[in-house]
Amino acid sequence: EVQLVESGGGLVQPGGSLRLSCAASGFTFSNYVMSWVRQAPGKGLEWVSAIRSSGVTTFYADSVKGRFSISRDNSKNTLFLQMNSLRADDTAVYYCAKESCGGDCYLYWGQGALVTVSS
Amino acid sequence: IQLTQSPSFLSASVGDRATITCRASQGISSYLAWYQQKPGKAPKLLIYTASTLQSGVPSRFSGSGSGTEFTLTISSLQPEDFATYYCQQFSIYPLTFGGGTKVEIK
Repeated sequence: EVQLVESGGGLVQPGGSLRLSCAASGFTFSNYVMSWVRQAPGKGLEWVSAIRSSGVTTFYADSVKGRFSISRDNSKNTLFLQMNSLRADDTAVYYCAKESCGGDCYLYWGQGALVTVSS
Repeated sequence: IQLTQSPSFLSASVGDRATITCRASQGISSYLAWYQQKPGKAPKLLIYTASTLQSGVPSRFSGSGSGTEFTLTISSLQPEDFATYYCQQFSIYPLTFGGGTKVEIK
């Protein structure tokens, strides 16, 4: 059974940093593109970032480029999102997601981690 | 690539047919997925590659379209279908979602 479990969320002050983790199990983690998607309170889904299976190639939304960094540890089946220079509008539930359907969908999602940026 | 969903809000009754449209700012072939989300839950995949029904999803859900215009149809709304629906393109990075369509009970 595929499981994705996020951790590391919490309250952080504007300008601060936070690192999210996503522990994966039930599949061969090193074979799949992994992604982060967020949802601000009462708002829609926003794609944030993705990383290819080897970890070399990464992609970012314009809204987080230069501030967020995605990485993975294939030996520990874990995905990370390093978030720096956090702003109030980064407040959201952050989901990790596994690409499926041959790369054309997100079938598996974590339960989400809440990040609140506030003074 | 921007995805524009319409309507943003849809009020309907059980048994009604519901149609949601997703328009892409440029052609994305058939690289489009549809999700259903209920409050406090992660999104659930309904359809991928524009028209392929995910295993286990009821057949009252269907998707169509290619290029820049796509449609999600629910043939006969059931009580459990009242939720928010999102489209997402997988054609090119950065990937994007539509703004969402909230389907509520009339």
